[in-house]
Amino acid sequence: GAVVSQHPSRVICKSGTSVKIECRSLDFQATTMFWYRQFPKQSLMLMATSNEGSKATYEQGVEKDKFLINHASLTLSTLTVTSAHPEDSSFYICSASFGGEIGEQYFGPGTRLTVT
Amino acid sequence: GQNIDQPTEMTATEGAIVQINCTYQTSGFNGLFWYQQHAGEAPTFLSYNVLDGLEEKGRFSSFLSRSKGYSYLLLKELQMKDSASYLCAVMDSNYQLIWGAGTKLIIKP
Repeated sequence: GAVVSQHPSRVICKSGTSVKIECRSLDFQATTMFWYRQFPKQSLMLMATSNEGSKATYEQGVEKDKFLINHASLTLSTLTVTSAHPEDSSFYICSASFGGEIGEQYFGPGTRLTVT
Repeated sequence: GQNIDQPTEMTATEGAIVQINCTYQTSGFNGLFWYQQHAGEAPTFLSYNVLDGLEEKGRFSSFLSRSKGYSYLLLKELQMKDSASYLCAVMDSNYQLIWGAGTKLIIKP
């Protein structure tokens, strides 16, 4: 149980275009979903936390107008990278939590974004 | 500020035992997690400690001392597939996960 999927797994886009990444919890309802980015050989960097039906909470330094997050249902959250630039190229990982005090997170497989 | 420290890289031999340490300074404490991450893949959950002591789960064990702000992950009977990065993460008083930079574990035959 506790499977999280992400789509697409890899995407290459041109500079200036927008890319949408989907994160789905397949066998549970996720009260909270998290979006991370990870640069090579670095740790995870939390970008934002989203709860179903409410606006996402962005970490300091993350542009909310550039990284649009929608958590429309308890099983789906989307991250849209708008007007992508080469420096946005990274590994984007979502995770989902049941909620509660333990808050164990289940990670999706990640999306490798390359902006040319 | 909040800080998680763990060694950058460790090397061990197949079949041996290795201990990966993690020290932390955070605003509050609501548990410590260990995750395994293979190159190019997302992290997978290994363990969760919120009380002092040792939690054993198969070949992996995790220890916590809250008074010392210290944890370790113990891997026994190492296998080549254990070569990965091991991430320590602490949940602070706001239930936010603070991540360490990860320890890259290299297993040699």
